[in-house]
Amino acid sequence: DGGITQSPKYLFRKEGQNVTLSCEQNLNHDAMYWYRQDPGQGLRLIYYSQIVNDFQKGDIAEGYSVSREKKESFPLTVTSAQKNPTAFYLCASSTPGGNQPQHFGDGTRLSIL
Amino acid sequence: KNEVEQSPQNLTAQEGEFITINCSYSVGISALHWLQQHPGGGIVSLFMLSSGKKKHGRLIATINIQEKHSSLHITASHPRDSAVYICAAPRDSGGSNYKLTFGKGTLLTVNP
Repeated sequence: DGGITQSPKYLFRKEGQNVTLSCEQNLNHDAMYWYRQDPGQGLRLIYYSQIVNDFQKGDIAEGYSVSREKKESFPLTVTSAQKNPTAFYLCASSTPGGNQPQHFGDGTRLSIL
Repeated sequence: KNEVEQSPQNLTAQEGEFITINCSYSVGISALHWLQQHPGGGIVSLFMLSSGKKKHGRLIATINIQEKHSSLHITASHPRDSAVYICAAPRDSGGSNYKLTFGKGTLLTVNP
């Protein structure tokens, strides 16, 4: 079955450490997204990529970085510059343009040690 | 920027009840999304609709483009329907799917 795989499910970060969240899709989708979810708030867009080797900042990109070297993969690095990284992170993908539904992974919960 | 408001924030129902969740948005759009977030956190796309009504099993979604309002109905609710339901709309009237504004979600609990 096609889908999106996020790993790990739970992740802990130490002070000053960078951590990378994995997102892989086998849906052959061109577009991929990273969202952050905090209690009581709607999903917020961190970064998105419409095509391989290209990506754009979303609403809350500070302290995060991404790469899109392969169509299937869109890893998110939470850098030490992100001072409040504790949140639930969701990856999604879709076919490009127009109005297409986004397909989501099961998320990664990041906490600070 | 599109503002998306959902109501109610929390909803508790008894098994078998008819459920309605509402979503209002501020900017005219070409399509609106309804999503379901499971207790474990994963999100599933339920509907994407641009007019009228769509039905899938016991779930029905309606949209009124003129009033900028959509509703999600669940008939004969069941405890397995317990989840957070989220609506999302494109940021602007251009309708691009790349940037969506998400509502804060409605937490539905269905008791047996």
